[in-house]
Amino acid sequence: EPEVTQTPSHQVTQMGQEVILRCVPISNHLYFYWYRQILGQKVEFLVSFYNNEISEKSEIFDDQFSVERPDGSNFTLKIRSTKLEDSAMYFCASRSSPGEGYTFGSGTRLTVV
Amino acid sequence: RKEVEQDPGPFNVPEGATVAFNCTYSNSASQSFFWYRQDCRKEPKLLMSVYSSGNEDGRFTAQLNRASQYISLLIRDSKLSDSATYLCAVGLNTPLVFGKGTRLSVIA
Repeated sequence: EPEVTQTPSHQVTQMGQEVILRCVPISNHLYFYWYRQILGQKVEFLVSFYNNEISEKSEIFDDQFSVERPDGSNFTLKIRSTKLEDSAMYFCASRSSPGEGYTFGSGTRLTVV
Repeated sequence: RKEVEQDPGPFNVPEGATVAFNCTYSNSASQSFFWYRQDCRKEPKLLMSVYSSGNEDGRFTAQLNRASQYISLLIRDSKLSDSATYLCAVGLNTPLVFGKGTRLSVIA
C-alpha cells in the first residue's frame, strides 16, 4: 500500500533554531497538507498545498512557518525560529482529490528545549 | 460552538460489545466526512468515509445525519485490538477539520 514518508521521526532542537521537516507524499497525490498535534490535543490544520502553491493556511501558520516542494517528490515544512510551544507531533498528509480522505505520514515528533 | 465535537470518553467496553460514537459538526454545508483511528503517539489512519446513505465495512458502520449535523460510528463485536482513539473529520472541499477524538478501551 502506498505510504507517506516523513523524516526525521524525532527532532530535538534548541529554542530559536530553525528546523526543516521532510515529507514524501504518495506519488500520484496532488493535495498536500501539514497538521500538528500537541500532546493530548486535537489534530490541527497548518497549511495546504496544491499546484505548487499554498492554497490555504491557518492562523497557526504565521511568518515563522514556510512550506516548499523543492522537487517532484519532497514536501517540506520549515520553522524559522522555534519556540517551546512548537513542540508537537507534525503530520504530513496527502490525497488525490479534495473529496477523499487523507493518508497521513507517521509524523515527526518535534521537541523544542 | 466548536466546529467538530466529540465525546472524549473513555468508553470502556467488554470484548464482544457493541459501541457507538457520535460526532457533531457546525458547518451545515460540509460535504466530506470520515472516521479515523489513532493509536497512542501514532498517525491517524483512515477507517472509513461516511456516505449520505450510510455505509458498512465488516464490523464497522458509519451513518450521516445531515438534519441534526452529526455522524456516527458503530462497532459491533468489539475486539481488544479496537482499543484506540477514534477521530471524526469533516470538510467542504477544504482542509479537513478533526474532532478531538473519542477514546475506546475494549476490556477482556
